[in-house]
Amino acid sequence: AQSVTQPDIHITVSEGASLELRCNYSYGATPYLFWYVQSPGQGLQLLLKYFSGDTLVQGIKGFEAEFKRSQSSFNLRKPSVHWSDAAEYFCAVGRPNFGNEKLTFGTGTRLTIIP
Amino acid sequence: DVKVTQSSRYLVKRTGEKVFLECVQDMDHENMFWYRQDPGLGLRLIYFSYDVKMKEKGDIPEGYSVSREKKERFSLILESASTNQTSMYLCASSLSSRGRNQPQHFGDGTRLSIL
Repeated sequence: AQSVTQPDIHITVSEGASLELRCNYSYGATPYLFWYVQSPGQGLQLLLKYFSGDTLVQGIKGFEAEFKRSQSSFNLRKPSVHWSDAAEYFCAVGRPNFGNEKLTFGTGTRLTIIP
Repeated sequence: DVKVTQSSRYLVKRTGEKVFLECVQDMDHENMFWYRQDPGLGLRLIYFSYDVKMKEKGDIPEGYSVSREKKERFSLILESASTNQTSMYLCASSLSSRGRNQPQHFGDGTRLSIL
């Protein structure tokens, strides 16, 4: 079964600084990969997804992620964070298997932005 | 945009009560999901449905059941609520595409407290 690890429970960065959130997955083949963001009291919003092709994926709100097969990673990056980026971020993996379209989510990384 | 609507944002019930959580999506999605979200545990799948009247157990189905009588509506039922079912419940839906794991779209969640 696939699994997802987000090793950082909580990250604090200064406004305007760069950001990288880590995500490692366990799956035998190339999975489908997703990053979601959850603002307080809200549901999850899709930031970006990777299915195949170019390993650098652009998403909404200025985020990007890079798929690295050799490291089984799909890290999320943003060159300059804004106070509104404070939220919880979830990485998710899906297996390309007809009839089984479930996703497995990581435990999340909470991002705090300081002035 | 896809809209997933959960009937209640906050709900307080008593131990032993039968509790219904309702979810409606407006995009004709085949797949619907129920998750619970707890601090430090991320999202855990309770049940999902890939068609009307079809359901499959997720990772933590004990104490829950579901109903999908119409394509747009997916109900989560706590047969006899217990305090350990106090949690945030999230509903999601996705388009079925022969295993390509389309992104899931989430509702805003129901925060359920069992007293």
